Amino acid sequence: AQSVTQPDIHITVSEGASLELRCNYSYGATPYLFWYVQSPGQGLQLLLKYFSGDTLVQGIKGFEAEFKRSQSSFNLRKPSVHWSDAAEYFCAVAIMNRDDKIIFGKGTRLHILP
Amino acid sequence: DTEVTQTPKHLVMGMTNKKSLKCEQHMGHRAMYWYKQKAKKPPELMFVYSYEKLSINESVPSRFSPECPNSSLLNLHLHALQPEDSALYLCASSQGGLPNEQYFGPGTRLTVT
Repeated sequence: AQSVTQPDIHITVSEGASLELRCNYSYGATPYLFWYVQSPGQGLQLLLKYFSGDTLVQGIKGFEAEFKRSQSSFNLRKPSVHWSDAAEYFCAVAIMNRDDKIIFGKGTRLHILP
Repeated sequence: DTEVTQTPKHLVMGMTNKKSLKCEQHMGHRAMYWYKQKAKKPPELMFVYSYEKLSINESVPSRFSPECPNSSLLNLHLHALQPEDSALYLCASSQGGLPNEQYFGPGTRLTVT
């Protein structure tokens, strides 16, 4: 069955430190992968997406992610976090079959220490 | 304009009330979505409209009734809800459906008393 796993429920980093949020997916076909960010009480905003091509994708707000087919992973990275990056981050995969849908991971809450 | 708007921002309703949530986009997107999000959980897909026709209903109870009057508007009619229906209801739109990126509105925070 298709699924998305974000193994870290919470992550705390200091402002200015580097960040990596993990995401693993289970899907037999070519995956369409996304990272979304959600601030408290707000909707989701797309950070970046991977459909094909270069496995290192650049997104907004200085984020990047690397697709590794051999590891079924799509980890999100940022070299230096800012206090405004504190939010919930969702990894997602689009399932393209008879009923196209998107499956979200359970999310990782990012806390930033001053 | 890359904005999806939702009204109202907050809604409190009793279990016998009838209310509606509204969603609007002016990006020319032909796919629109309703999601339900409980606290500390990911969004759960409820309905998908493609070219103003309901294409996906994720076995949502009939007390939720979606409507797409035109390509820019999406409504969610609520009737006889239960307290467990309290959640953040998110609307999203995309150009031509998945896997194109979805643009999300800020949501309506619904409380059922």
